Amino acid sequence: QVQLVESGGGVVQPGKSLRLSCAASGFTFSSYGLHWVRQAPGKGLEWVAVIIDDGSDQFYADSVKGRFTISRDNSKNMLYLQMNSLRVEDTAVYYCAKDRRLGGYDFDHWGQGTLVTVSS
Amino acid sequence: EIVMTQSPATLSVSPGERATLSCRASQSVSSNLAWYQQKPGQAPRLLIYSASTRATGIPARFSGSGSGTEFTLTISSLQSEDFAVYYCQQYHAWPPLTFGGGTKVEIK
Repeated sequence: QVQLVESGGGVVQPGKSLRLSCAASGFTFSSYGLHWVRQAPGKGLEWVAVIIDDGSDQFYADSVKGRFTISRDNSKNMLYLQMNSLRVEDTAVYYCAKDRRLGGYDFDHWGQGTLVTVSS
Repeated sequence: EIVMTQSPATLSVSPGERATLSCRASQSVSSNLAWYQQKPGQAPRLLIYSASTRATGIPARFSGSGSGTEFTLTISSLQSEDFAVYYCQQYHAWPPLTFGGGTKVEIK
């Protein structure tokens, strides 16, 4: 079965960096776009970024553009989110999510999430 | 950016009753709309895609309808496990992909 397992969350000071990872299994990793979606405490869902199946293109929410970088390693079935210049408002649970179909951009599987807390 | 607006914010329903949740898009998203269910402490779960197609394993009591800018998620007879927060998401025009603010379905 499909599994997505995030890691790398924690407490970090404003302005610092953090890298999240998502280990995937149970599907043909290189055939699907992958996303990061976040949820601030007690709030709704916010899409963060997507990387297409072969990794050749990425798109970002305006709120993270220029600070976050999404990447993937198709040889290791791994998805990453490099987060630089972190702000207090980046505090959230970060989920990795898989496209339901190639280029579909709705999400049929999600990880359990990893909490990032940005605080001094 | 397409803004998704869900109503009501909270819906109080008794078990066995019907629940009707609404989602409105600020411009047409055709049928490129999904619904998710999220329970406390859990990741969202895909319920409906393409506005009206149930995802794998989703019970028939969940149904979606609509196109363009107006969409509805109906739960025909609420079970105890259905009390949760529901989100709509458009994937017609992006970036960004956008979600509604959510509707919490609570026990009346």
